[in-house]
Amino acid sequence: QQPVQSPQAVILREGEDAVINCSSSKALYSVHWYRQKHGEAPVFLMILLKGGEQKGHDKISASFNEKKQQSSLYLTASQLSYSGTYFCGTGINTGTASKLTFGTGTRLQVTL
Amino acid sequence: GAGVSQSPRYKVAKRGQDVALRCDPISGHVSLFWYQQALGQGPEFLTYFQNEAQLDKSGLPSDRFFAERPEGSVSTLKIQRTQQEDSAVYLCASSSRWAGGYTFGSGTRLTVV
Repeated sequence: QQPVQSPQAVILREGEDAVINCSSSKALYSVHWYRQKHGEAPVFLMILLKGGEQKGHDKISASFNEKKQQSSLYLTASQLSYSGTYFCGTGINTGTASKLTFGTGTRLQVTL
Repeated sequence: GAGVSQSPRYKVAKRGQDVALRCDPISGHVSLFWYQQALGQGPEFLTYFQNEAQLDKSGLPSDRFFAERPEGSVSTLKIQRTQQEDSAVYLCASSSRWAGGYTFGSGTRLTVV
């Protein structure tokens, strides 16, 4: 079953913060986050593995709570370049290169 | 190569025609995945290779879909007797055994008319 993302869409002014959530009905081993701009390939942002870790990447960070089967992506001080559709991808296999089930997507638009 | 290369970028097929989509992954990447992405949706898993072995083909929608990776590098996704519902973007991704994250190609947009 496909992970559910919330919100479905969000509009931000440059400099504002946002949180995107990803919930799964299955026990998870890993969560990936990707950003896809219109007409382009999804671009890898980060991967979180079982263990409840939080990762940071510039002004983008994420957390993973495997007990709740949830992950959240945090975007701080948003920039115009953050606009796009964000997908979480959940993995249930123990290998790092495992097939992913992608979420429903969150469309993010950052404006001036 | 530097990235994952897919060809053709666009393909228009008449219903009933066979098509072949090519993926050239990053050199040395062991894992290769095919995904199908419908407009406005997230990618959906089709099949997975580790080197030349097809370890999972549970996502292939029908026996009209066939994928191969005979030498563990370039992969081809073949769709026989295309139907309108096959219209979608087909994404290929590769991953090294240890890195975890996928590198996606730009995809092939297939339109069946």
